[in-house]
Amino acid sequence: DSGVTQTPKHLITATGQRVTLRCSPRSGDLSVYWYQQSLDQGLQFLIQYYNGEERAKGNILERFSAQQFPDLHSELNLSSLELGDSALYFCASSVLADTQYFGPGTRLTVL
Amino acid sequence: TQLLEQSPQFLSIQEGENLTVYCNSSSVFSSLQWYRQEPGEGPVLLVTVVTGGEVKKLKRLTFQFGDARKDSSLHITAAQPGDTGLYLCAGATTSGTYKYIFGTGTRLKVLA
Repeated sequence: DSGVTQTPKHLITATGQRVTLRCSPRSGDLSVYWYQQSLDQGLQFLIQYYNGEERAKGNILERFSAQQFPDLHSELNLSSLELGDSALYFCASSVLADTQYFGPGTRLTVL
Repeated sequence: TQLLEQSPQFLSIQEGENLTVYCNSSSVFSSLQWYRQEPGEGPVLLVTVVTGGEVKKLKRLTFQFGDARKDSSLHITAAQPGDTGLYLCAGATTSGTYKYIFGTGTRLKVLA
């Protein structure tokens, strides 16, 4: 158990819909990272937040957005969903950037 | 653009054999991490290497960081079925905008 929690574990929705994924970091970790993992693209960094502020941006689509709240939990919002958005979405947290602890992931299926 | 290439992509070996996984890049990294991921779960950090030429051992796993900090290797001695999983290297680029990059992954299967 990494100490990072993610909800929900599974999510099935239809194209065009909007979903919100939630992440609670390890106690004391200020940084939260979001990743997308699909079979053909591997693990792709989406975005990082540090203490409520956006710190780094990766391959995140404009249809996707994230935020980190004062209690340090984070949400990833995915809108206008497409079939290709089906993937595992992981959240990770850290104190140091190069030591990340991953949550169990949310499996998103877009039908 | 994928900056971290891993080889081999797939590896299926018998229990007791040795193996080496490589992680290569043309970029310099301030540090490199190795993770193992099992199906349906998140990656689990195995080790961080920081200094060029550094060697770290974790039981039967030996990790090495290249002298120029552009590459790394993971050697497993006497592999066991419990070593089965997806091995990922990762690191933060030192030039330009900060990016934390994961390697392409090596899927290892150890047969009993």
